[in-house]
Amino acid sequence: SAVISQKPSRDICQRGTSLTIQCQVDSQVTMMFWYRQQPGQSLTLIATANQGSEATYESGFVIDKFPISRPNLTFSTLTVSNMSPEDSSIYLCSIDRINYGYTFGSGTRLTVV
Amino acid sequence: DAKTTQPPSMDCAEGRAANLPCNHSTISGNEYVYWYRQIHSQGPQYIIHGLKNNETNEMASLIITEDRKSSTLILPHATLRDTAVYYCIVSFSTDSWGKLQFGAGTQVVVTP
Repeated sequence: SAVISQKPSRDICQRGTSLTIQCQVDSQVTMMFWYRQQPGQSLTLIATANQGSEATYESGFVIDKFPISRPNLTFSTLTVSNMSPEDSSIYLCSIDRINYGYTFGSGTRLTVV
Repeated sequence: DAKTTQPPSMDCAEGRAANLPCNHSTISGNEYVYWYRQIHSQGPQYIIHGLKNNETNEMASLIITEDRKSSTLILPHATLRDTAVYYCIVSFSTDSWGKLQFGAGTQVVVTP
């Protein structure tokens, strides 16, 4: 089964700065998905990242705030830009293991102070 | 994607079967039913999925009604480690265009 490595696992950042989260998969995948989980809430899909094209963002999420890179079929990054305390959340990446459900990374716990 | 309705919480005694219901009355013909769980501070874990037939794996069984408007996840012998939030999700699958829309889920607490 595919393994996802996500880092950093947690970080505390100053408001106004940016943080880039990395997601590495041990096999090639077409799509990678980025989710946000705000404190006490369920997961919300931020965007879908397809290698070789721009990411597709869900309603309420914009590229300027959450730029995504997908340079190859095993790697993606999500940047949280110009952070505010409201961005404090767990950010997770995910892949679709066809016929075996979706696998999630362990998440990045971000605290903005 | 179709929406799902789950009870917000349920308790279960250790060693007993846990039956988790889910309503998905607007599910379309080619949408699958997925179940995931999230143990505190971890990423969601895939449990099982199905289209219309009942499914069983080493973790759980999935019972889907004939009209596909509801389903039940069965954990046959609940353990303390099964304490988690359980999410029922309907989604297109078998291709990479499927994406998961998480609802609030059911908080399951397994007690000794």
